[in-house]
Amino acid sequence: DQQVKQNSPSLSVQEGRISILNCDYTNSMFDYFLWYKKYPAEGPTFLISISSIKDKNEDGRFTVFLNKSAKHLSLHIVPSQPGDSAVYFCAALGSARQLTFGSGTQLTVLP
Amino acid sequence: EPEVTQTPSHQVTQMGQEVILRCVPISNHLYFYWYRQILGQKVEFLVSFYNNEISEKSEIFDDQFSVERPDGSNFTLKIRSTKLEDSAMYFCASSALRTGASYEQYFGPGTRLTVT
Repeated sequence: DQQVKQNSPSLSVQEGRISILNCDYTNSMFDYFLWYKKYPAEGPTFLISISSIKDKNEDGRFTVFLNKSAKHLSLHIVPSQPGDSAVYFCAALGSARQLTFGSGTQLTVLP
Repeated sequence: EPEVTQTPSHQVTQMGQEVILRCVPISNHLYFYWYRQILGQKVEFLVSFYNNEISEKSEIFDDQFSVERPDGSNFTLKIRSTKLEDSAMYFCASSALRTGASYEQYFGPGTRLTVT
């Protein structure tokens, strides 16, 4: 039951370039989405979120885009920095506030 | 900046033993959650707790699991009789009532549970 999917397990980008992380979902009842960053041996850290009534939300270097008809969202990081290297999780909020997570994408930003 | 704390960071226990994992959520938050991540797998929802009762639980959260808010600050997850497959990283999270248009949940650093 993969309601939230991140099909790229890893991504490498050069420092200063754009990182684009993708996420797809299948449950049309999801109406709020979040991105988390996770370092080894730490808990997920909230990055940015978006409601389904919007198609874009921006916070500093991070922008999340939502294409509701395609059930697809993406996280853009620009410019990418070596400190951004981590696992990024996409999550969808259920009706009882439970989060359904994707499997994560390991981002490596090369200096 | 306020944060969610969890103790212990690592718990080793024998199969069949009871364990209690402890969490101190952010002080003005009202929703509390437990998630777990088995090595190499996704983060999975276990249970949510609001107004001193369970508001939602997953199929993972069977009769071996229970949660409690014994006082005004702690939130605990008890596993009554641990199994090998309970070995995982357990994360506590908390969230405020909706503020603006935001529903973010803040996670603790996790407790690594190893069942031998």
